Amino acid sequence: DVKVTQSSRYLVKRTGEKVFLECVQDMDHENMFWYRQDPGLGLRLIYFSYDVKMKEKGDIPEGYSVSREKKERFSLILESASTNQTSMYLCASSYTGVSYEQYFGPGTRLTVT
Amino acid sequence: ILNVEQSPQSLHVQEGDSTNFTCSFPSSNFYALHWYRWETAKSPEALFVMTLNGDEKKKGRISATLNTKEGYSYLYIKGSQPEDSATYLCAFKIRDNYGQNFVFGPGTRLSVLP
Repeated sequence: DVKVTQSSRYLVKRTGEKVFLECVQDMDHENMFWYRQDPGLGLRLIYFSYDVKMKEKGDIPEGYSVSREKKERFSLILESASTNQTSMYLCASSYTGVSYEQYFGPGTRLTVT
Repeated sequence: ILNVEQSPQSLHVQEGDSTNFTCSFPSSNFYALHWYRWETAKSPEALFVMTLNGDEKKKGRISATLNTKEGYSYLYIKGSQPEDSATYLCAFKIRDNYGQNFVFGPGTRLSVLP
């Protein structure tokens, strides 16, 4: 079974803190993604990576950065957390190609107070 | 930013009812259309990957159709069961330089009442 794991299910941080969200996949997928999900909105892409050390901005990259030093690991970094970054964060991974679906992690519910 | 719409936003049906939802997406630069089911407290899981106009896919009581020329896909559930209660997401994959970028719709939340 494909497994995508995320470092925390729930996280509470204070405004201004630096926050790291970690994602690990075990299927040797080339592509990894970070999304956030807010009520009434679809999953919105923050960043994605199609190879080690490669990254591309998604639709809402402001306030976030990412790191992919190893193929299996993709980190999302909030340099200075703000209350409007309170959200559910989902990591996903996939092979490259038209027929391949994304596999998602369980999500991290981040609250910034 | 591309827009993917889903309707209805939410739906309550009785056990045994059949139901269907719609996903609307841009008809240009089509690459693929995915359907995912997201149950509460679980990860979204892929139901179907559809790539060709006229595609019809089926998995048990759930099926989907695709019309890329007019930009829509239907998801059907026959004889709904309480375990079908979930949010159903469609994701439109655009043909771009990377070929891996998805745009998700807001989802249809289905509740099946026993």
